[in-house]
Amino acid sequence: NAGVTQTPKFQVLKTGQSMTLQCAQDMNHEYMSWYRQDPGMGLRLIHYSVGAGITDQGEVPNGYNVSRSTTEDFPLRLLSAAPSQTSVYFCASSYQGAYGYTFGSGTRLTVV
Amino acid sequence: KQEVTQIPAALSVPEGENLVLNCSFTDSAIYNLQWFRQDPGKGLTSLLLIQSSQREQTSGRLNASLDKSSGRSTLYIAASQPGDSATYLCAALSRNSGNTPLVFGKGTRLSVIA
Repeated sequence: NAGVTQTPKFQVLKTGQSMTLQCAQDMNHEYMSWYRQDPGMGLRLIHYSVGAGITDQGEVPNGYNVSRSTTEDFPLRLLSAAPSQTSVYFCASSYQGAYGYTFGSGTRLTVV
Repeated sequence: KQEVTQIPAALSVPEGENLVLNCSFTDSAIYNLQWFRQDPGKGLTSLLLIQSSQREQTSGRLNASLDKSSGRSTLYIAASQPGDSATYLCAALSRNSGNTPLVFGKGTRLSVIA
């Protein structure tokens, strides 16, 4: 049972480049979400989804795009990377929130 | 809007000491509260989940309590060890925020000195 899998683990981008952070879970969880973690700021919610075809914005959605075509996958797209998007990104999933959230191991992104 | 606060931001204790980490939340209408551990450069590991109907949960040397009326949760660590050194995060799942996921505190960074 793999849980929540995030790829890549590390990435360096140049300003203006685009990329997709991948997140997949094999627990049949309906709820999935993306957070970014920055020193002194804690974990902040970017986007979340409560099922295939349903997404919504969190606290810091600007510059990011998501879609949810399957229950298993919830990719996060950076449209035009900026240095302010340098962060550690975490994906999480849950069975409707009732039994707690499971987190992936994170993607450390540097934008230069 | 739910806000979660953890005090202190950092704590250093000698090995063997019992300690309490604090978490407070502004909206008492929660489904549950979850405690996580994060080692440097690593992801979040779930430690304990307390449902709104529960008062406490225990796992080994860890005990988490929940008092919704006062908007507080505590994580008690018994007989601390150097291996307990990590950042501890609490997160609340609110009833009044629709389907919005967890709201996190900024964590308490714990150092256990041998």
